[in-house]
Amino acid sequence: AQRVTQPEKLLSVFKGAPVELKCNYSYSGSPELFWYVQYSRQRLQLLLRHISRESIKGFTADLNKGETSFHLKKPFAQEEDSAMYYCALGSYNQGGKLIFGQGTELSVKP
Amino acid sequence: NAGVTQTPKFQVLKTGQSMTLQCAQDMNHNSMYWYRQDPGMGLRLIYYSASEGTTDKGEVPNGYNVSRLNKREFSLRLESAAPSQTSVYFCASRTGGLGNTEAFFGQGTRLTVV
Repeated sequence: AQRVTQPEKLLSVFKGAPVELKCNYSYSGSPELFWYVQYSRQRLQLLLRHISRESIKGFTADLNKGETSFHLKKPFAQEEDSAMYYCALGSYNQGGKLIFGQGTELSVKP
Repeated sequence: NAGVTQTPKFQVLKTGQSMTLQCAQDMNHNSMYWYRQDPGMGLRLIYYSASEGTTDKGEVPNGYNVSRLNKREFSLRLESAAPSQTSVYFCASRTGGLGNTEAFFGQGTRLTVV
C-alpha cells in the first residue's frame, strides 16, 4: 500500500537553528517523492522533488531507499520559512496517483 | 496565467443538500485530483483522474462522486452533504505519463455543512 507519514505535527525552532522535517514512505515500486509548502492563505506549491536533487530556498532533501525516508533539511531557518510542509508520494504505475502526508507546521521564532 | 481554477471559493450547505465543486485547468494536463484538507489529517486524496474518461478512487471516496467532463474539467459532487464533509477542498493537476511532474493546485473551496 502507498503511504506517507510525517510524524511531527508542529516543529518550532528559533531563527538560525537547523531544521529537519521528517517524512517516511511506504511503496513497493520506484517512488516519486516531493515536498510541497503552503504559506498562510496561499495555495500549495512545489518546493522540491527527489529526482531534481536541487536546493530551493536553502532546503534540501535526500531520498534514502533503505530507510524509506525523504527528510527535508535546512541548516539555518529563517522566519519566512514558517509554513505548512507536506511530503508527497507519487505513483507512476497507478496513473499518477499522488498522496500526501499529514503535514508539519514549521514555526520559526525570532 | 489562470492555472487551476476552483469554484466556488466558499459554500455553506445544510445537511442533505447536494452540490458540485468545479475545477478547471488550462495547462493541458492529463492528471487531475481532488483532495480534502482537515486539521491534523493533512491532504487526503478523494478521487483522481489519470486521463480524460478515467477516474479512480483515492483514500477517502465515500460520499463523493466525480466527473472528468473533458481534459480541462474535473468536478466533485456531494450528493447528500454531511457535517463530516466540512473541509477545505483542493483540486490539482499535473502532466501525466512522464513521472515526477509538479502538481499545480487551485486556491481551495471552503465548505461548511450545518
